[in-house]
Amino acid sequence: DTGVSQDPRHKITKRGQNVTFRCDPISEHNRLYWYRQTLGQGPEFLTYFQNEAQLEKSRLLSDRFSAERPKGSFSTLEIQRTEQGDSAMYLCASSQRTGIESYNSPLHFGNGTRLTVT
Amino acid sequence: DQQVKQNSPSLSVQEGRISILNCDYTNSMFDYFLWYKKYPAEGPTFLISISSIKDKNEDGRFTVFLNKSAKHLSLHIVPSQPGDSAVYFCAAPAILNYGGSQGNLIFGKGTKLSVKP
Repeated sequence: DTGVSQDPRHKITKRGQNVTFRCDPISEHNRLYWYRQTLGQGPEFLTYFQNEAQLEKSRLLSDRFSAERPKGSFSTLEIQRTEQGDSAMYLCASSQRTGIESYNSPLHFGNGTRLTVT
Repeated sequence: DQQVKQNSPSLSVQEGRISILNCDYTNSMFDYFLWYKKYPAEGPTFLISISSIKDKNEDGRFTVFLNKSAKHLSLHIVPSQPGDSAVYFCAAPAILNYGGSQGNLIFGKGTKLSVKP
């Protein structure tokens, strides 16, 4: 079990630039989640996938944000035209859900990508 | 309304003593709760959970208590160790309109625990 891997760990970008983050979940996990965490807050849900299907997006996910999970394995989160308010830690998590009895499977988090928009 | 609240931003405890971290929630439909621990520069790590059909769950030094009537849960760490110093998050799976859950977690703001040697 190599855990959830996120790349890069840190990203500094200028306002208006586009950035893309990658997440590699635990290999047998079919669910993948993106969260954002700002200082003094808990992680806030952005979106999640079951296999390659994006099943829900939070209202926090503005139209500048897009996420993909093309083959049901790794996922990317892209932010276009970054703003200073996008500065945050972006966390990816995965879990395995095969039936009702497993819906409470804990999420396994990666170490996040810290984005700084200057 | 689906909120998980941790009203104490920080807690300081002496090594060997008990740490008690508290969490309140707003929706009585929540049926499962989790505690995560987070060290700086790392992602949250699952610690312990409890189903709403129970009022206590214990795992080694960690025990979670659930009081459904008060919509309150607490995490007890006994004895506390310096390595327990971290931010602790309480979380619950979001409830869908028809009553199910997709597994997406709603987190509190966290409590920073400092265990002093």
